[in-house]
Amino acid sequence: EIVMTQSPATLSVSPGERATLSCRASQSVSSNFAWYQQKTGQAPRLLIYGGSSRASGIPDRFSGGGSGTEFTLTISSLQSEDFAVYFCQQYHDWPYTFGQGTTLDI
Amino acid sequence: QVQLVESGGGVVQPGSSLRLSCEASGFSFRSFAMHWVRQAPGKGLEWVTTISYDGTYTYISDSLKGRFTISRDNPKKTLYLQMDRLGAEDTALYYCARGSKELDYWGQGTLVIVSS
Repeated sequence: EIVMTQSPATLSVSPGERATLSCRASQSVSSNFAWYQQKTGQAPRLLIYGGSSRASGIPDRFSGGGSGTEFTLTISSLQSEDFAVYFCQQYHDWPYTFGQGTTLDI
Repeated sequence: QVQLVESGGGVVQPGSSLRLSCEASGFSFRSFAMHWVRQAPGKGLEWVTTISYDGTYTYISDSLKGRFTISRDNPKKTLYLQMDRLGAEDTALYYCARGSKELDYWGQGTLVIVSS
């Protein structure tokens, strides 16, 4: 199975700052890759798919990059509502696998 | 708007069975693959199983094969997860999600607690 490894586990930043989250796949997943945001007590929400395409309704301060085995999620200017847990996921091969999550806190 | 509403969770004893449902609305259910993803308390996301748009193909986590079965009823716009021989390790919030590739819409989940 493809193992997804996120770093860091926790990222502490201030509102208005830029945040960069990383995810590494144990083998190439091409661009079959997504980022999800999960706020406390809520279901995950799709942010980025295809490695770099924003999902419907996602603000343009969120951007995704990478392909193959290395991916990043950048939030250009953090808003209070962005503090949450972020998961990466590959849908290149079965079983689909998620990273362990990065907590973005203040 | 797309809505996915899970139901069927609850507290059950080890060794029991449970069937979860996910009712879909706001989109052409028959056109999309569907998934179950679970999240144990305080943990990350774990993909459980996927079914193709027409039910022809299913995929399931190796660790759950033989105990969990996904199915769908397209006229009823409903997705199911049959779970047998439940154990404490199956305690989790179970989400259904839509997506032929990425999982673009998720329900709010139904909680399954396996405890004696």
